[in-house]
Amino acid sequence: DAGITQSPRHKVTETGTPVTLRCHQTENHRYMYWYRQDPGHGLRLIHYSYGVKDTDKGEVSDGYSVSRSKTEDFLLTLESATSSQTSVYFCAIRQGDRDYTFGSGTRLTVV
Amino acid sequence: QQQVKQSPQSLIVQKGGIPIINCAYENTAFDYFPWYQQFPGKGPALLIAIRPDVSEKKEGRFTISFNKSAKQFSLHIMDSQPGDSATYFCAASRAGNEKLTFGTGTRLTIIP
Repeated sequence: DAGITQSPRHKVTETGTPVTLRCHQTENHRYMYWYRQDPGHGLRLIHYSYGVKDTDKGEVSDGYSVSRSKTEDFLLTLESATSSQTSVYFCAIRQGDRDYTFGSGTRLTVV
Repeated sequence: QQQVKQSPQSLIVQKGGIPIINCAYENTAFDYFPWYQQFPGKGPALLIAIRPDVSEKKEGRFTISFNKSAKQFSLHIMDSQPGDSATYFCAASRAGNEKLTFGTGTRLTIIP
């Protein structure tokens, strides 16, 4: 998928624990995004980045933080996981003018 | 507030039929309308996209119809095949805004 790797692919964690998801790209794209996918809600933007150390909030950013210390890595952190954060998380990069390429996703279950 | 409304939520069509998925948007500043296709266990992938200066765009068996006055656009799949069974998302974005807004998705099943 155009050099995007998400890790881990699956994770089960307990309520209240911190969780970090990683997105790694190999093509030096400036824009990176984190979405969550839930039935009935489609894809909703959590946070995005427009460069190293440059990030901004999306529509569902509460309970999430991000960091981008290198062009190739965009990290999503759940400081204290809750059951409502059980979801499939997708990282995306923007290629060309407006087109996105998505990673294969991370399925996160909070128990 | 949902800026891009997609329907139906699910759709079952026989092989060879023409499934139609509809989307409506509210923000008249949107000027780019892509469709993404997602297979189980995979991330969404760009299928086809249209800009509002044209009313229709075809790529193979996939066609987007665009109605600017009604603020609606739709995806048609000609001669549908079981391999087209997937979830389809419409989306919209506007110039100068780095974010893509998605519809809620349509789960399409093509039965043999």
